[in-house]
Amino acid sequence: KQEVTQIPAALSVPEGENLVLNCSFTDSAIYNLQWFRQDPGKGLTSLLLIQSSQREQTSGRLNASLDKSSGRSTLYIAASQPGDSATYLCAIIGGGNDMRFGAGTRLTVKP
Amino acid sequence: DAGITQSPRHKVTETGTPVTLRCHQTENHRYMYWYRQDPGHGLRLIHYSYGVKDTDKGEVSDGYSVSRSKTEDFLLTLESATSSQTSVYFCAISSDRDGFGYTFGSGTRLTVV
Repeated sequence: KQEVTQIPAALSVPEGENLVLNCSFTDSAIYNLQWFRQDPGKGLTSLLLIQSSQREQTSGRLNASLDKSSGRSTLYIAASQPGDSATYLCAIIGGGNDMRFGAGTRLTVKP
Repeated sequence: DAGITQSPRHKVTETGTPVTLRCHQTENHRYMYWYRQDPGHGLRLIHYSYGVKDTDKGEVSDGYSVSRSKTEDFLLTLESATSSQTSVYFCAISSDRDGFGYTFGSGTRLTVV
């Protein structure tokens, strides 16, 4: 059974800092890995999807990497802004149409 | 969220009563999913559908049933609600099984008292 862990559970940084969120998974046999953002009381919004054959994906100030051999992914946020405050979740898409989520990292960016 | 709506947004119900949550999509996507989100657990898959009348169980399906009689609607039923089913329920849709085009609804907050 795929287990997905996100560390830290919560993170608070001053505006302008670069930061890294971590995601680890136990089974390297994955199709894809996806990072989502969730704002309080809202649904999830897809940020980046990395296919199993890829090493990284970039969108604006966000960069996600994938290392299947070590069972790790990182989400790098450059020049953080207060509007980046949200919970970030990673999800592994494996066989059987199953998407397994981590518990998320709650990010607060202070002005 | 555009293309997917959940109803109701909030519901309080008593233990032992049946409850049905509705997910409606306008994207004509093949795949639809029901998740529950609880503190410390992230999202966990309850049931999913890969076509009309085609459904399968997810990780935490006990106590839940689903139905999909039309492409656009996916219903989640709690036959006899329990306090452990107090949670936030999310519906999601996707055009394929590999995660592309995954879109979530805004959620239904269900409280069982």
